[in-house]
Amino acid sequence: DVKVTQSSRYLVKRTGEKVFLECVQDMDHENMFWYRQDPGLGLRLIYFSYDVKMKEKGDIPEGYSVSREKKERFSLILESASTNQTSMYLCASSENSRVRMHLSNQPQHFGDGTRLSIL
Amino acid sequence: AQTVTQSQPEMSVQEAETVTLSCTYDTSESDYYLFWYKQPPSRQMILVIRQEAYKQQNATENRFSVNFQKAAKSFSLKISDSQLGDAAMYFCAYRSPAWHEKLTFGTGTRLTIIP
Repeated sequence: DVKVTQSSRYLVKRTGEKVFLECVQDMDHENMFWYRQDPGLGLRLIYFSYDVKMKEKGDIPEGYSVSREKKERFSLILESASTNQTSMYLCASSENSRVRMHLSNQPQHFGDGTRLSIL
Repeated sequence: AQTVTQSQPEMSVQEAETVTLSCTYDTSESDYYLFWYKQPPSRQMILVIRQEAYKQQNATENRFSVNFQKAAKSFSLKISDSQLGDAAMYFCAYRSPAWHEKLTFGTGTRLTIIP
């Protein structure tokens, strides 16, 4: 089974701190994603990466950055945490069907989420 | 840009009964993929069922089935013989065939199972 591991289940930080959320997957997936989940808003994509050192902005990238130095690890960085970044953060990974030369409906596999509170 | 709408924030169903969760989407693409994910209180998102737009046949996974109406851009989830373990948030998601393979999610439906 695919395993996506997020480093913390709960995290409390202060405004202005630099915050790192780590995500590791063990299935050699090309694609990795960071979402935030807020009540009534569903999941919104922050950033994604389709290869090492490659990154693309999602729908709400402001205030965030990412790093992908190794294929299995995708980090989300809050450069200067603010209270409006209090949320649940979900990491996901998936195969890239084009890279693997087959057309298939590959789902994304999710971690357990990190509930981040900014005080 | 694609949008996904789940118009039922909350639903409840008696144990062993059948419930249908609605999902509509807006797209100009002719080929795409649709998913239903479940998020129980444990928080991990679990894939329930998936559907390719080019397939006319509705997907089925055990007690879970979909009613995919491409012209109406509707993708509802039917849960038969509801069980207590089905209690969760359910999210509908759309994926374009574009290279990035990112998902667009609806706002979710919280399903409660009444014993």
